[in-house]
Amino acid sequence: AQSVTQLGSHVSVSEGALVLLRCNYSSSVPPYLFWYVQYPNQGLQLLLKYTTGATLVKGINGFEAEFKKSETSFHLTKPSAHMSDAAEYFCAVSDVGFQKLVFGTGTRLLVSP
Amino acid sequence: SAVISQKPSRDICQRGTSLTIQCQVDSQVTMMFWYRQQPGQSLTLIATANQGSEATYESGFVIDKFPISRPNLTFSTLTVSNMSPEDSSIYLCSVAGTSGSSYNEQFFGPGTRLTVL
Repeated sequence: AQSVTQLGSHVSVSEGALVLLRCNYSSSVPPYLFWYVQYPNQGLQLLLKYTTGATLVKGINGFEAEFKKSETSFHLTKPSAHMSDAAEYFCAVSDVGFQKLVFGTGTRLLVSP
Repeated sequence: SAVISQKPSRDICQRGTSLTIQCQVDSQVTMMFWYRQQPGQSLTLIATANQGSEATYESGFVIDKFPISRPNLTFSTLTVSNMSPEDSSIYLCSVAGTSGSSYNEQFFGPGTRLTVL
């Protein structure tokens, strides 16, 4: 069975600082990996995804993530945090050929001035 | 991508009653899903809504409690039956297999925030 672990339920950064949100996955087959963002009282928005090919993927709003098979990780980064980045971030995994998404428990990003 | 709307956006219901949530997509999609997000928690898949046949439920979810319909490729409903306060959650519809996107890319609706008293 697949699973996702997000380390840290809350991450606090200062505006302009590096953002690093951690995600590790478990999958018996090559996974598809996703990062979603949820702003308060809104649905989920896809930030980026990894399916095949280049292991460093770039998403919207300056975010990027790197798929590291040897570490079973898919950490999300952004060089410089903005106040508008404050939200809940979810990492998710699905099997190739299936559509079921398994989500991590989420990380709330707090950005201070 | 796809534009997904859900009705109602929120509701407050009495214990023992039922609520039907609607999900409408602006284009035909292959897959439709229903998720639950309990307060302060992550998303859990309830079921896959299959067009023209019974939904496929995940472990821990049953049709009697969460009946689902999908009469066509753009619309689905989820009913939360015989509600209790434990059903207070955000219910989200998602879709995959839209024109121009991969089958493994899901797009989410805005959610329905349900409070059961």
